[in-house]
Amino acid sequence: QKEVEQDPGPLSVPEGAIVSLNCTYSNSAFQYFMWYRQYSRKGPELLMYTYSSGNKEDGRFTAQVDKSSKYISLFIRDSQPSDSATYLCAMKMDSSYKLIFGSGTRLLVRP
Amino acid sequence: DAGITQSPRHKVTETGTPVTLRCHQTENHRYMYWYRQDPGHGLRLIHYSYGVKDTDKGEVSDGYSVSRSKTEDFLLTLESATSSQTSVYFCANAALGGSGEQFFGPGTRLTVL
Repeated sequence: QKEVEQDPGPLSVPEGAIVSLNCTYSNSAFQYFMWYRQYSRKGPELLMYTYSSGNKEDGRFTAQVDKSSKYISLFIRDSQPSDSATYLCAMKMDSSYKLIFGSGTRLLVRP
Repeated sequence: DAGITQSPRHKVTETGTPVTLRCHQTENHRYMYWYRQDPGHGLRLIHYSYGVKDTDKGEVSDGYSVSRSKTEDFLLTLESATSSQTSVYFCANAALGGSGEQFFGPGTRLTVL
């Protein structure tokens, strides 16, 4: 079983929809949680960063961490075709330099 | 902008040949990482560095070596390339190892025939 699980999709939604992307994890020691966006043939780009539990909002994006359920989410409001990309979750322990990545969810926003 | 460049951006080589990929950063960040990305596997850590001449293995280090003789450069070498090393390779850096915020380069697409 992978330490971090993520549905590969693709997830196809109409423009303007609210998108929910999720990851589950097994290691309760993870404390730092990140979401990266990766466009086709590009490097991953850091989108959201959260320490421990709770919510964080940045414009149309909201990241949620539920440590009791070992579950993290990224919500995208008013989705745009330019949001079409692969979204990777990543997490790490306090004592480590290393990130553990999910395999990514491909999102398609239809005009 | 992370200020990471990778070279070459594309490479085709033959099984058994040595290959070196270069990662260059314009920042003075202490931490640098090499990942490979394959369908269904996401990003997997090959090696990382926490300072000049300080490196350690990641989860998929077999067949790879790294060197960091200067803060700005981190080299990944495939001593004898195999077809299983066909992949997209990404370099990343981080100012602080503890916070986990890593910033990625544009990637190198390597094909081993």
